[in-house]
Amino acid sequence: LAKTTQPISMDSYEGQEVNITCSHNNIATNDYITWYQQFPSQGPRFIIQGYKTKVTNEVASLFIPADRKSSTLSLPRVSLSDTAVYYCLVGFLSGYALNFGKGTSLLVTP
Amino acid sequence: GAGVSQSPSNKVTEKGKDVELRCDPISGHTALYWYRQSLGQGLEFLIYFQGNSAPDKSGLPSDRFSAERTGGSVSTLTIQRTQQEDSAVYLCASSLFRTQDTQYFGPGTRLTVL
Repeated sequence: LAKTTQPISMDSYEGQEVNITCSHNNIATNDYITWYQQFPSQGPRFIIQGYKTKVTNEVASLFIPADRKSSTLSLPRVSLSDTAVYYCLVGFLSGYALNFGKGTSLLVTP
Repeated sequence: GAGVSQSPSNKVTEKGKDVELRCDPISGHTALYWYRQSLGQGLEFLIYFQGNSAPDKSGLPSDRFSAERTGGSVSTLTIQRTQQEDSAVYLCASSLFRTQDTQYFGPGTRLTVL
């Protein structure tokens, strides 16, 4: 069973760029990498998904190196409202294990 | 359209009682997931339904936990003989087809076992 590893917590000031890296050494060929965000007392919500290279949307960017053994979620110019837990999820086509883990708790301060 | 709904939003029960938690997925979503989140912990996978296939129960922590999905839509998670360690938020999610698809989460049911 493959697993993901990401920092337990990160701190940032408003306006800074935040990069959260996730390691997934056992990623399979057909797996996608998905990031979710969770605010207190809410269910997680989708942020971004990618397979390789770089993906960008209105919220974040996702950088995936060629070997795909890690990925980096980049949040540009964070605000206080970006304080949340961020989960890296690597899906599997065979076997349905869904390991969100503990995620990375991001605290943004003024 | 409507999102994933769960009921009840809060449930307080006594140790040893059985509880049932309900999840209504997004219409048309064939995949349904149950997770558990204890205080300060991450999301723990419990069970996964995909269409009419046999569910993946690999995350269920004990045989006191069971789940069913009727007619490919509504799902019920049942916990028998509840224990204090079962206290947690139980989250349900659905996705269009497979685990790679975006999961849409419900608001969760907060279960407190006294």
